[in-house]
Amino acid sequence: DAGVIQSPRHEVTEMGQEVTLRCKPISGHDYLFWYRQTMMRGLELLIYFNNNVPIDDSGMPEDRFSAKMPNASFSTLKIQPSEPRDSAVYFCASSLFGSNQPQHFGDGTRLSIL
Amino acid sequence: DAKTTQPPSMDCAEGRAANLPCNHSTISGNEYVYWYRQIHSQGPQYIIHGLKNNETNEMASLIITEDRKSSTLILPHATLRDTAVYYCIVRAPFRDDKIIFGKGTRLHILP
Repeated sequence: DAGVIQSPRHEVTEMGQEVTLRCKPISGHDYLFWYRQTMMRGLELLIYFNNNVPIDDSGMPEDRFSAKMPNASFSTLKIQPSEPRDSAVYFCASSLFGSNQPQHFGDGTRLSIL
Repeated sequence: DAKTTQPPSMDCAEGRAANLPCNHSTISGNEYVYWYRQIHSQGPQYIIHGLKNNETNEMASLIITEDRKSSTLILPHATLRDTAVYYCIVRAPFRDDKIIFGKGTRLHILP
């Protein structure tokens, strides 16, 4: 079975540019989560969706960040405009319905903003 | 507001059992204990979870004390590939959709 697929694996861009990160969850999973990981702050939850509907976006740092889930098999996290402090590894995860279900993570996108 | 306390780092000799402790003294009756690990440059990986009974799967065993205030993750025969950061998390079904990761324990497996 294919796991959670994220693209690109690495992204390097200049500040001010728009960045779009993509995620394909595991087929049949009801929940999708976006995390950010930095050395200083560790692993932080940014936003999560249930059945394509955003449930909690309290972790989104500011209005420059937005996330969408247009269908059950695709989600995007967009940063516009990007800043150097957005440099981090961004992970996507998915899980089945039921809070007992474990989350399955992708391999992440390593983002560097110059 | 971390619900769990873990040592920042531990060493274990290859081939020996690695015992990773976790304190969760404020755990509620309906909260489960979960363990994940993160190998360098990869996403976190689910290991095991339990409520009050000890659990075992192909990766590890989870021992939860009778008062449920602490638990231990056991990797029975550690290999170099088990070098990772291990996260202990408490989470309530039907209340906590999301996982709050703490700092975890950095486990070094020594050859």
